[in-house]
Order: sequence, then C-alpha cells, then structure tokens
Amino acid sequence: SQKIEQNSEALNIQEGKTATLTCNYTNYSPAYLQWYRQDPGRGPVFLLLIRENEKEKRKERLKVTFDTTLKQSLFHITASQPADSATYLCALDSGGSYIPTFGRGTSLIVHP
Amino acid sequence: EAQVTQNPRYLITVTGKKLTVTCSQNMNHEYMSWYRQDPGLGLRQIYYSMNVEVTDKGDVPEGYKVSRKEKRNFPLILESPSPNQTSLYFCASSYDGFNTGELFFGEGSRLTVL
Repeated sequence: SQKIEQNSEALNIQEGKTATLTCNYTNYSPAYLQWYRQDPGRGPVFLLLIRENEKEKRKERLKVTFDTTLKQSLFHITASQPADSATYLCALDSGGSYIPTFGRGTSLIVHP
Repeated sequence: EAQVTQNPRYLITVTGKKLTVTCSQNMNHEYMSWYRQDPGLGLRQIYYSMNVEVTDKGDVPEGYKVSRKEKRNFPLILESPSPNQTSLYFCASSYDGFNTGELFFGEGSRLTVL
C-alpha cells in the first residue's frame, strides 16, 4: 500500500543551526510534493511545492529537495529560529487524483 | 483578507444528533475539500469538490455527506454522528487542486461525539 513516512520523533536543534526534516514514501509515484507548517490547534499553512522534474526549490530560509530515485524529500530550514518551532507536514499527489496524501508530520523544536 | 472560515470551531454533541460544519472561502476557489486529523494518523481527506454540484469521495467518506450549491460554501454533514467521528476537522480550498499550488486551510473544527 502507499505509504508516507515522516520521523515521528521530535527534532530538537539549537537556534542558528540548519534543521533537516525527511519525508520518505513507498509504493507511490508522486508528481507533486508539498510541505506545510502546522502550529498547535491551527490549520496547516503552505510552505513550498516541488514537482517531480524539479530537484530543488528554495524560498528565503527554506529549501526542499525531491529525489524520485530515493523516494525521498528533504526539507531544510537554515539559520533556524525559535519561531520556526512547529510541526511540518509533507504531502504527495500523483497528479490528477485530487486526493493528496499527507504524512503524519515531524515536530521541530528550536531552542534559543 | 484571503481566508477559509469554518464554524463551529468547537462542538460537543451526542451520538445520532445530526450536525453540520460550515466552510466558506472568499478566494473564488473552485476546489474545496474536507479533512480529518487524528493523532498518529495525519490528515485524511473525507470529500472534495471540483466545482459547484461536483463532489467526490476522498479516502474516508463513510458517515459523512457534503454539498456544493454555491462556489464559496462547502458544508460537511454528519447525519448520525458516532464516537469514532470525534476528531479535528479541516476545510481547505485551492484554485484548482493540489497540483497547481497551495491548499488554504481553515482554522479547524474540533468535534467530540459522546
């Protein structure tokens, strides 16, 4: 069955370091991958979209990579700040299904 | 301000008592969808709609109904709620689906069925 895996353990890092979050998938040929940020009790907020023919996407301190051979996406936050503390969700869609699949999310905690 | 508005934000009800969670967007989006989020399971899509009068099932549609009579509104209906429908519900919209860009999510509706 199709599966998306994000590290269920929280990632703790020091302010100023680069945070790297992983999204692995199996039995899937996604055409699009998105990353969202979710704060406790709030709705997810879109961060980045990357397509299967794109290796890397950047937006300010954020960078996403998409390796369809490894079936993995990495999400990086450089110069992390305590305000970056949240849960980060990845989501995949094979294109045209209109039913994206979301991972369970990884909690990021940035310590001052 | 572009937004997706859900109501109510919190609701406690009893088994079998019909309820409706409303969702409205002000961005003229064609695509709207409903998700439920449960601990350890992530977001799962219940229903989606590509346009007025066009709806289809997501991954977990059992026990839910939706309607899309107007472009801006996409209510979620629980005809006979059961305790296993206790969850956090999110409505989302986008221009024409996941592929072209971001999903805008509402703030969520926390439902408890006793």
